[in-house]
Amino acid sequence: EDQVTQSPEALRLQEGESSSLNCSYTVSGLRGLFWYRQDPGKGPEFLFTLYSAGEEKEKERLKATLTKKESFLHITAPKPEDSATYLCAVQGTYKYIFGTGTRLKVLA
Amino acid sequence: SAVISQKPSRDICQRGTSLTIQCQVDSQVTMMFWYRQQPGQSLTLIATANQGSEATYESGFVIDKFPISRPNLTFSTLTVSNMSPEDSSIYLCSVFLGLAGPTDTQYFGPGTRLTVL
Repeated sequence: EDQVTQSPEALRLQEGESSSLNCSYTVSGLRGLFWYRQDPGKGPEFLFTLYSAGEEKEKERLKATLTKKESFLHITAPKPEDSATYLCAVQGTYKYIFGTGTRLKVLA
Repeated sequence: SAVISQKPSRDICQRGTSLTIQCQVDSQVTMMFWYRQQPGQSLTLIATANQGSEATYESGFVIDKFPISRPNLTFSTLTVSNMSPEDSSIYLCSVFLGLAGPTDTQYFGPGTRLTVL
């Protein structure tokens, strides 16, 4: 069965304290892995698409990587404005599957 | 990316009533998607709306409860019918850009926050 699991569920960091969020997946025929940021009460905002193992994408303090079984979203020197829920999604042969997200809180 | 708007942004409704949510995209797209996000949970696909054909519903969702219209390539509506408190959620529309190839990225609207009393 296709599945996406994100960990941790919640993460509190001090400003400047780098960390990584994990997205583990099982999917038949991976066509793409997507990272989104979601602020409370708003729709998900697209961050990255990764297509194949070994691929990396960067945007400001965020860097996404992909292996055959998981993806990491690395946050370097986070700021309070990085506080949000980060969602991972995979597109398999038949459908798009979302994880439940990691709620990130960055403290000043 | 696409600019996607939804109306209303939020509403509080009484049980047994219906609410229609509108989704407008600033470019023509083949497929539009409707999702539900219940409190503290991830996104669940309700249905896929194709212009000129009936919507395709996911398991657990039926047309009588969630009728969808797709009158043109930039607009869709989702109606939540005969509402109960369990329907309280954020409802999101999304689109793939371009020709909706298998690896196109989905872009989401701002969401409609529905509370049913």
